[in-house]
Amino acid sequence: GAGVSQSPRYKVTKRGQDVALRCDPISGHVSLYWYRQALGQGPEFLTYFNYEAQQDKSGLPNDRFSAERPEGSISTLTIQRTEQRDSAMYRCASSLVSSIGYNEQFFGPGTRLTVL
Amino acid sequence: AQTVTQSQPEMSVQEAETVTLSCTYDTSESNYYLFWYKQPPSRQMILVIRQEAYKQQNATENRFSVNFQKAAKSFSLKISDSQLGDTAMYFCAFMSPTNAGKSTFGDGTTLTVKP
Repeated sequence: GAGVSQSPRYKVTKRGQDVALRCDPISGHVSLYWYRQALGQGPEFLTYFNYEAQQDKSGLPNDRFSAERPEGSISTLTIQRTEQRDSAMYRCASSLVSSIGYNEQFFGPGTRLTVL
Repeated sequence: AQTVTQSQPEMSVQEAETVTLSCTYDTSESNYYLFWYKQPPSRQMILVIRQEAYKQQNATENRFSVNFQKAAKSFSLKISDSQLGDTAMYFCAFMSPTNAGKSTFGDGTTLTVKP
């Protein structure tokens, strides 16, 4: 599998529960991005990493959202005490590097989160 | 902050016809990249075409071409010889190299190709 993978593909949870969404980027890709896409809207930036360092988390909506990439490969987006407004598609993307010129972002299939 | 606006929520076209999707953006930067992504019913995100702002020549990829008007901050996508498989949501996106590669997306245009 050469593409970006995400798991689970679908997650249904009850309000107040914590969820962890996983992203496995393309091997060798330095940069990893998280986006959130509400139904009928375009993806919205949440945060991104270069290697294991979180470079920008300005898009995280509040402190219930956090992300990590401890070994510079797989990343986890965690949402604590989920609320119904957190329901959305969460997309991960990776690229060779983000800070120099252009490198194409390859998107994963997304995790559709539904909070009941 | 950059903004991307797609003013056509829905469009339709007959198979084999040509359709143009509109996109405008706002930025104070002089160097940046613009993209069109396709999101079919499978909800995958597929890069269709890319334009670098410093290039005056409009990008083309087979049946897909863009009309990039830098002064007007306009970036439209033309699909020629539309095919049923072109039915999808299309997103226009902006990326600034100085903003660490983060992409800003429009809200999309849903295109339906009719047989």
